[in-house]
Amino acid sequence: GPKVLQIPSHQIIDMGQMVTLNCDPVSNHLYFYWYKQILGQQMEFLVNFYNGKVMEKSKLFKDQFSVERPDGSYFTLKIQPTALEDSAVYFCASSLARTANSDYTFGSGTRLLVI
Amino acid sequence: QQKVQQSPESLSVPEGGMASFNCTSSDRNFQYFWWYRQHSGEGPKALMSIFSDGDKKEGRFTAHLNKASLHVSLHIRDSQPSDSALYFCAASEPNNYAQGLTFGLGTRVSVFP
Repeated sequence: GPKVLQIPSHQIIDMGQMVTLNCDPVSNHLYFYWYKQILGQQMEFLVNFYNGKVMEKSKLFKDQFSVERPDGSYFTLKIQPTALEDSAVYFCASSLARTANSDYTFGSGTRLLVI
Repeated sequence: QQKVQQSPESLSVPEGGMASFNCTSSDRNFQYFWWYRQHSGEGPKALMSIFSDGDKKEGRFTAHLNKASLHVSLHIRDSQPSDSALYFCAASEPNNYAQGLTFGLGTRVSVFP
């Protein structure tokens, strides 16, 4: 079936540095999402994005986080500066519609370790 | 307190057996429920959704929803080794997109030969 690709699969970064996580969503999907999963905890919603704009974000989406999709390329999550508590697996997802009963397609995640 | 709770945490089932596990919500605003399956090293994949009371069957998988008690279950008939995975329950509110999907912690299913 259609896939969401995430690059890189793993990233280790020094605290305080900037990191960009990349996502290539399903080609005809219009809505894009980031979720965060800390080891041993549930996956939590960060943000959703449509038509070049953030539509909704959770309280986990700190000021240090930003998202964009320049010119229809990768959908990116940038963290600047990174903090130790940003260590987690970040999942990108996309959906065709933004109704509450839409199916999401998730990527395999980027495992981020901030040291 | 987590809004979506799953039980048991883990489950072992013989090949060919029935795997059953549960999900309950403490938030009456949740009306839509999904089951996602995640194999090691991969992202979660949607298995099935259920929005109405009663049973929904797709192949070897049957989901059951009781909206009054906000209880959802998933049953896997004739379990196969490939069914070994982490199963997540997820829920959403009909008119509140702000929180996206709310996930449980998952039930880890192991199917042994």
